[in-house]
Amino acid sequence: DQQVKQNSPSLSVQEGRISILNCDYTNSMFDYFLWYKKYPAEGPTFLISISSIKDKNEDGRFTVFLNKSAKHLSLHIVPSQPGDSAVYFCAAGVGGSQGNLIFGKGTKLSVKP
Amino acid sequence: DAGITQSPRHKVTETGTPVTLRCHQTENHRYMYWYRQDPGHGLRLIHYSYGVKDTDKGEVSDGYSVSRSKTEDFLLTLESATSSQTSVYFCAISEGRGNQPQHFGDGTRLSIL
Repeated sequence: DQQVKQNSPSLSVQEGRISILNCDYTNSMFDYFLWYKKYPAEGPTFLISISSIKDKNEDGRFTVFLNKSAKHLSLHIVPSQPGDSAVYFCAAGVGGSQGNLIFGKGTKLSVKP
Repeated sequence: DAGITQSPRHKVTETGTPVTLRCHQTENHRYMYWYRQDPGHGLRLIHYSYGVKDTDKGEVSDGYSVSRSKTEDFLLTLESATSSQTSVYFCAISEGRGNQPQHFGDGTRLSIL
């Protein structure tokens, strides 16, 4: 049973537009959520995180939104750039960074020039 | 970039042989993790360590053992490799304090024939 779900395997957007990647979770105990970006032949790179006491966190072009009642989080990238083309993983954990993370299966984002 | 080195980066071996993968960190982080990534599964936790000689099992630990005799090194051993263990293996590290994220190495691609 998947505790963290990324239901869109892929997403294609035009350069300069907004990319919205979605993630749903089932475990109400999760209190820490992260997004990672992964290029081929490299390890995942941390992008942005949010704790359950917040509903929004911004870092430059990246914003993560958390809707606890819906058990849903999303990553917004504005504006999207071709270099953002990668696989994006959503992850969730209990107990902050001391807890283990459960990852979604990933969404492949393609940003077209 | 976090100072994480995985070795070897690529390995091809035969079923039934022992295999050891090494993760070395220069960040003096307390927590270290081993994940595997397979198509359709995202990243799944194999084992993790929360200190020297302190380890615990993750979601997919069967067929794997780990050891951590020094803060900087975390070894993953496949005692008798099987074809189902063909995968890309990632090591990650974390300070384990507050909401500091896990940071990943660049992975080891292991093929078991």
